[in-house]
Amino acid sequence: LAKTTQPISMDSYEGQEVNITCSHNNIATNDYITWYQQFPSQGPRFIIQGYKTKVTNEVASLFIPADRKSSTLSLPRVSLSDTAVYYCLVGDVTGGGADGLTFGKGTHLIIQP
Amino acid sequence: DGGITQSPKYLFRKEGQNVTLSCEQNLNHDAMYWYRQDPGQGLRLIYYSQIVNDFQKGDIAEGYSVSREKKESFPLTVTSAQKNPTAFYLCASSRRDRENSPLHFGNGTRLTVT
Repeated sequence: LAKTTQPISMDSYEGQEVNITCSHNNIATNDYITWYQQFPSQGPRFIIQGYKTKVTNEVASLFIPADRKSSTLSLPRVSLSDTAVYYCLVGDVTGGGADGLTFGKGTHLIIQP
Repeated sequence: DGGITQSPKYLFRKEGQNVTLSCEQNLNHDAMYWYRQDPGQGLRLIYYSQIVNDFQKGDIAEGYSVSREKKESFPLTVTSAQKNPTAFYLCASSRRDRENSPLHFGNGTRLTVT
């Protein structure tokens, strides 16, 4: 079974707020939720990470409900340059194993003018 | 300016030849990783190393080999045994002294084998 489930693609317009939801029903107690952004022909870039409740940084917010079975990446006031693939990862990298290193196909976000 | 350097950006080889992809980091990270990405697909883990002189197979290690003789370097060899070597290869690194430290990626090497 896939560890995370995200929409394959999403469309929005410049200036809008975009919310991308990731489902992770089998999340373990020690697992963190991490989101990455990838532009074509580049490596993914870390956006935000959280364990529970809400986390906010200069580029995004991450909302995690109490049961932690899903999470929502929120991008405020998107621009054309936010067109990219967004990956949600769940796991515990600290343990030294490969847990938390699995990238699914991600969500291809397309922003239109 | 710290980061991960992958070279070259584009690499062309004939079928049947081994080829080694370079990955160097100056972030002082203990852990390093190699991923493969095919068009329209996510990243698949090939090998990872948590410490010098130690590495583990990822999900698709067959046809690949690695070494970790120095903390800064984690070269990947694509051998002739790899059935479909043409792909975009990404190297990453992370800290191990902080809980769930995120991955830092290089900008990849696009390998074409004909």
